[in-house]
Amino acid sequence: ETGVTQTPRHLVMGMTNKKSLKCEQHLGHNAMYWYKQSAKKPLELMFVYNFKEQTENNSVPSRFSPECPNSSHLFLHLHTLQPEDSALYLCASSPNLSQETQYFGPGTRLLVL
Amino acid sequence: EDQVTQSPEALRLQEGESSSLNCSYTVSGLRGLFWYRQDPGKGPEFLFTLYSAGEEKEKERLKATLTKKESFLHITAPKPEDSATYLCAQEDFGNEKLTFGTGTRLTIIP
Repeated sequence: ETGVTQTPRHLVMGMTNKKSLKCEQHLGHNAMYWYKQSAKKPLELMFVYNFKEQTENNSVPSRFSPECPNSSHLFLHLHTLQPEDSALYLCASSPNLSQETQYFGPGTRLLVL
Repeated sequence: EDQVTQSPEALRLQEGESSSLNCSYTVSGLRGLFWYRQDPGKGPEFLFTLYSAGEEKEKERLKATLTKKESFLHITAPKPEDSATYLCAQEDFGNEKLTFGTGTRLTIIP
């Protein structure tokens, strides 16, 4: 596979469930990102990792927990989510931070019941 | 607070009818202005990066331009397959984050 892949593509979960989103990039990039995209709102940056180290946590609630075991993989662990967390979650990667084009995965459409 | 404003919110054009999408940005020290295309249910697809006022870039029927306050995405003789949401984003010096606009939903009618 090429580019940035995300699994699952769709996820329905209850507020008491625990689930994880996975992102993998095959581009040899060093920086990876999680974004949230809700209807009628701009993409919201959630987390940034550079060389596996978290460099940004954009005031995200603790019910979202990221994990970056290596530069190619990024996870977003979800627990006790709220219905307002329903959105498209996008992963992106770039060669490095700063002035570098970010390449996005197809996203995971999350519905919290 | 840095802001990116895109207009119009939605645009419907006949096939072959040229037009422009606008992206206004507020940051004074622009490091880069990015354009993406997003199809329904998919992630944004990179189109262009512009770095300085006066710069222009082209790809097929699309041309992106940049001034000190805004960027335009010109679409010439569009086809139905150009229908998508077009997003712009700014990156400013001292802040290695992209700030996105809400996008323009473009529909090309055959």
